Amino acid sequence: GIQVEQSPPDLILQEGANSTLRCNFSDSVNNLQWFHQNPWGQLINLFYIPSGTKQNGRLSATTVATERYSLLYISSSQTTDSGVYFCAVRETSGSRLTFGEGTQLTVNP
Amino acid sequence: EAGVAQSPRYKIIEKRQSVAFWCNPISGHATLYWYQQILGQGPKLLIQFQNNGVVDDSQLPKDRFSAERLKGVDSTLKIQPAKLEDSAVYLCASSFFRGNTEAFFGQGTRLTVV
Repeated sequence: GIQVEQSPPDLILQEGANSTLRCNFSDSVNNLQWFHQNPWGQLINLFYIPSGTKQNGRLSATTVATERYSLLYISSSQTTDSGVYFCAVRETSGSRLTFGEGTQLTVNP
Repeated sequence: EAGVAQSPRYKIIEKRQSVAFWCNPISGHATLYWYQQILGQGPKLLIQFQNNGVVDDSQLPKDRFSAERLKGVDSTLKIQPAKLEDSAVYLCASSFFRGNTEAFFGQGTRLTVV
């Protein structure tokens, strides 16, 4: 099956800093999603981005499908951005949505 | 639009007991997923339905786990008998089609087996 690697595994920031999270995948995909898991365990949809670039407020994402990676940018981070960020992909030849192991983000005031 | 509904939110059981979780997907979503998330890990797919048919159950421990979606709408996941290592959050998700569409998740059920 497809392999999904996220980096870094842990990230600690001061409020106001910017960050970039990376998701590498081992095969071609037709679905890529970024999620934020809040402290209560809820997975919140951030982006559905199998290719291209999208922006939503302080967050933006870019997927370069031909090079098999996606980036999530967080600008002017806030304490409420803390939590785990997951990348999930569906390979073109399959149906399963496979998750990476996540990036644990901590934003300190 | 209502999101994916799951119940219960929390459950504590003793090992060897049985437990069931319920999920109601977003209206009109044909695809329903059950994931298991162990603390500190990413969610892992247990079973995927397309309407009331199983698309992928290759990672479902079939000796103790079962799931059904009889009318192609809501679904039940059962564990019998539970083991300590089944302690996890069980997440349900749905999407409109199996293919290139966005999946949405419920709040999950946190299971503790003691």
